[in-house]
This record gives sequence, C-alpha cells and structure tokens, in this order.
Amino acid sequence: DGGITQSPKYLFRKEGQNVTLSCEQNLNHDAMYWYRQDPGQGLRLIYYSQIVNDFQKGDIAEGYSVSREKKESFPLTVTSAQKNPTAFYLCATTKRGIQENTEAFFGQGTRLTVV
Amino acid sequence: QKEVEQDPGPLSVPEGAIVSLNCTYSNSAFQYFMWYRQYSRKGPELLMYTYSSGNKEDGRFTAQVDKSSKYISLFIRDSQPSDSATYLCAMRGGGTSYGKLTFGQGTILTVHP
Repeated sequence: DGGITQSPKYLFRKEGQNVTLSCEQNLNHDAMYWYRQDPGQGLRLIYYSQIVNDFQKGDIAEGYSVSREKKESFPLTVTSAQKNPTAFYLCATTKRGIQENTEAFFGQGTRLTVV
Repeated sequence: QKEVEQDPGPLSVPEGAIVSLNCTYSNSAFQYFMWYRQYSRKGPELLMYTYSSGNKEDGRFTAQVDKSSKYISLFIRDSQPSDSATYLCAMRGGGTSYGKLTFGQGTILTVHP
C-alpha cells in the first residue's frame, strides 16, 4: 500500500521545546517537501529536498531544520526559535524526472499545538 | 502583494448548484496550474492539472486557464454535499521547479442538501 505516512497526527509542544515531525514515503519519489498551513494563508513551503543528503530552504525556513539521510524519510524539527509554531504541517513528495506532469502527493498532516 | 490570490470565501451553495472558484496570479513564470481538494483535517488531493490556456473537463469538474489575464477557474457542476471541502489553487514554473508549488489561500465550500 504505497503512500506517505506522517506521524504523529497530533503533537503538543511546550514553550522552548524542540519537536520532530516524521514523514516516511514508499512511493520511491526523489523529491520531498514540507509545507505549513495556517487558516486563511494557504500552504507555505518550509524546506524541500530533491535528493538524499541535500535540501534547500523554502519561503519560511526560519526556526525549522530538516535532514534527508534516506530517500524514504524527511523529518522536520520545529525548534524553540520558531516563535509561532502552532499550525498544520504537511509533507509532500514528487517523482523527480517527469517535470511536465509532476503531481505532488500529500500526507495526512500533523497538527502541532503549543501549550 | 501575494503571487497568488484566491477568495477564501466561505462559499455556501445548495445541492445541484454550479460552483465557480477563482484564482489570479502575478508571476508570468507560472506554467502549470492545479486544483487541490482538501477535506477537513486531511492532506490535499489533486483534482485537476493543466498547463495550457483553455478548458479541461473531468466529469463534473472543469478547469479553465487564461494565461493572458493570469486567471484560473474551477467549475463544479451539479454540486453535491460530498464536494464540501477547501479548494486550493496551486501553480508552478517550468524547468526544475518540480513540486515547488505556490498556493492560493484556499476557498471553503459548503454544499447543503
């Protein structure tokens, strides 16, 4: 059963704490992305990775970090430097190489709340 | 000014109505246009994908692109309560942009019986 698995579904973070969101895929897609969704603002790109051991900042990377040690995994760490982390986080993948018809597949999201 | 503007609604229509959802954009580099549907607390799923100006039809859904006016639309015919969701327009440039999509704010649609 191919797809993208994000965990946990709900996550609560205390002030000053780092938390890591998991994203695993078995679609054999090369590229992976993290988006943040806030009410009324659509999706905004945090980080993306086109190949293993390489990643680039998106539009709102401050306060976040990522790693891409395996093709299947792209974890996102929300650090204490992110002052407003409460949001819905979405992981996505695309199959690199077929540029003109590249569909982005999304996971089911992680809702992070600061308590 | 945002690169992609989408009326967030909310939009409420009776079952059977024709729904029109719209986005405007300012970046001429955008070449590929998508509509995603997102149910509450779920990830978005691709509904329509197009790259040329004109209309593309898929069942009850029609995507329309006007590159000269930088305007895209999604029409839903014979709307159903199951169409109630947030609809997101998304677009990207060509070349190595891959999944680097720029999204609109999303329109919340409710179809009531």
